[in-house]
Amino acid sequence: AQSVTQLGSHVSVSEGALVLLRCNYSSSVPPYLFWYVQYPNQGLQLLLKYTSAATLVKGINGFEAEFKKSETSFHLTKPSAHMSDAAEYFCAVSDQGTNAGKSTFGDGTTLTVKP
Amino acid sequence: DGGITQSPKYLFRKEGQNVTLSCEQNLNHDAMYWYRQDPGQGLRLIYYSQIVNDFQKGDIAEGYSVSREKKESFPLTVTSAQKNPTAFYLCASTPTGSGANVLTFGAGSRLTVL
Repeated sequence: AQSVTQLGSHVSVSEGALVLLRCNYSSSVPPYLFWYVQYPNQGLQLLLKYTSAATLVKGINGFEAEFKKSETSFHLTKPSAHMSDAAEYFCAVSDQGTNAGKSTFGDGTTLTVKP
Repeated sequence: DGGITQSPKYLFRKEGQNVTLSCEQNLNHDAMYWYRQDPGQGLRLIYYSQIVNDFQKGDIAEGYSVSREKKESFPLTVTSAQKNPTAFYLCASTPTGSGANVLTFGAGSRLTVL
């Protein structure tokens, strides 16, 4: 069984500040891990994914995430927040080789960026 | 450009009515999925289909039905048996092969029961 916990349903940062969105997972087998972004009234868009190659994964829009097996974490970071980063972010986990559509999603973290 | 088209964007339904949400993709993806999203919650899988004329229940299939008569289309019917249908519904698809673990989403349909 898999599960995902996103710590903090709301995160607020100032423009130009570091963005850190936390995700912890549990999985009985090696996982694939994903971060998606959702803008209001839109679908989800893939930011980045971990599929057991490099532990530091770079994604779109300057985001990156580091897979830490010992901490069962996959936190999302961006060095400098931009107003356009305001959105909801979802972490997801699936078993390697499992149908991606059966991923388990976290409850989401809403990011607010203050001017 | 390839993608997933969901319609309608907004839909209002009276209690006791069935409604059908459309999902069409031109990505040539084999697998398609329907999710339900409620405020403050992650996505929950309703139904999925990995091949034409075949589909499986997800975690919350009660009160919903689907069909997959064409590769491109995977409509979802919200029946009167669904007790709390007001939600945001998302359709997604994946290809087979090495890219199989990335979901492509449509823009969603928001259903409100009056």
